[in-house]
Amino acid sequence: SQTIHQWPATLVQPVGSPLSLECTVEGTSNPNLYWYRQAAGRGLQLLFYSVGIGQISSEVPQNLSASRPQDRQFILSSKKLLLSDSGFYLCAWSVGSHRVHFGDGTRLSIL
Amino acid sequence: EDKVVQSPLSLVVHEGDTVTLNCSYEVTNFRSLLWYKQEKKAPTFLFMLTSSGIEKKSGRLSSILDKKELFSILNITATQTGDSAVYLCAVGLQGGSEKLVFGKGTKLTVNP
Repeated sequence: SQTIHQWPATLVQPVGSPLSLECTVEGTSNPNLYWYRQAAGRGLQLLFYSVGIGQISSEVPQNLSASRPQDRQFILSSKKLLLSDSGFYLCAWSVGSHRVHFGDGTRLSIL
Repeated sequence: EDKVVQSPLSLVVHEGDTVTLNCSYEVTNFRSLLWYKQEKKAPTFLFMLTSSGIEKKSGRLSSILDKKELFSILNITATQTGDSAVYLCAVGLQGGSEKLVFGKGTKLTVNP
C-alpha cells in the first residue's frame, strides 16, 4: 500500500533563516506530487506541483521553491523565511485521478 | 479565477442532528468535485463526484453533485461527536497535473 511521510511535524524558525521540508512517498511510481499551504482562515492553497523528476510548476509567486531530486521525493525550501511564511504545509500525491492523498503536514511558525 | 465557496463556514449541532454542507464553484475546466474531512492533520478523502445527480453514500455520509447549477452538498445524518472536523470541498481541473482548488472549509462541531 502507498504511504506518504512528511517531516518535521512542527518547526519554529526565526525570520530570515532557511527552510527545508521533505516529503517521500512509498508504494507507487511516478506520482504527481504537491505542496499545499493552509493559513488560518483560508483554504488549502497549491504552492507547487510536479509531474516528474526535475519538473516543478509554481502556482503563486512567493519566497519558496521546490525540488524533486528523485521520483518519490519532494522538497520545499526557502533561503530566507518571512513572517508571512507561517502556516500548515501539506505534501500530497496522486496517480491517475484527482483523488489526492495528503501527508500529516508540518506546522511552521516564524518568530 | 477559479473559485470554490463553502457554506456555512462553521456550524454547531447536537448529536443526532442532520447537517447539510454546501459547496459552489466557478472554474474554467471542471473535471471532478471532492470532499475531504480534516481533523487535526491530513485531510482524509470522503467522496469524488464526476456526474450530476448520482448520490455517493458511505454510512451516514452522502453527497451529490449538480453540474448545471455548479454546486454540491454533503449530508451527514445522525451526527456523532466524532464527526467534528473541518470538511473541505475541492474541485479537480482538467489537465495532466490533477490539481485541486479548495474552498475554505466548513468547521463542524457536534456537541453531546
